[in-house]
Amino acid sequence: AQSVAQPEDQVNVAEGNPLTVKCTYSVSGNPYLFWYVQYPNRGLQFLLKYITGDNLVKGSYGFEAEFNKSQTSFHLKKPSALVSDSALYFCAVTNSGGYQKVTFGIGTKLQVIP
Amino acid sequence: DAGVIQSPRHEVTEMGQEVTLRCKPISGHNSLFWYRQTMMRGLELLIYFNNNVPIDDSGMPEDRFSAKMPNASFSTLKIQPSEPRDSAVYFCASRRDSTPFYEQYFGPGTRLTVT
Repeated sequence: AQSVAQPEDQVNVAEGNPLTVKCTYSVSGNPYLFWYVQYPNRGLQFLLKYITGDNLVKGSYGFEAEFNKSQTSFHLKKPSALVSDSALYFCAVTNSGGYQKVTFGIGTKLQVIP
Repeated sequence: DAGVIQSPRHEVTEMGQEVTLRCKPISGHNSLFWYRQTMMRGLELLIYFNNNVPIDDSGMPEDRFSAKMPNASFSTLKIQPSEPRDSAVYFCASRRDSTPFYEQYFGPGTRLTVT
């Protein structure tokens, strides 16, 4: 069975500092990995995805994520955090083998402190 | 594009009543998902439709829950009878097609409160 772990319930970072939100996964075959963001009282919004190719993926709002196959990780990063980045972030995984349910992590709350 | 549309945005009902949640996916998307989000359990997939056909309903909690997709532009999730433990935010999401590397687009959600 596939799974996603987001080990931190909450990440606090000062505005202007770099941020990292961690994600590790378990899946058979080649993974497809996603990051979504959820602002209060809103649905999830797609940020970026890894399908194949370059391990560093760039997405919306200046976010990027690095795929590390040996560590089965897909950490979300941003060089300089903004207060407006404060939200709930979800990592998700599926694979390329036919219908595969997309499994979401439990979410990590990012708090950017002014 | 209007995005995924859900109605109502908020629903408050009494235990035992029937509740119907509605979803209009993005035009041209042929995959549709219903999720439930709670603090305790996070985001749970309830059911997945592809080309209006239910493919995976293993997440539907029990017989009180049912979902339909009569055409490509409309889906409903019904709870009958509703119970307080059904209180949650219910999201509908659509995807371009069944290929898993496409991202999902989520609606704004319906916040259901069952008293």
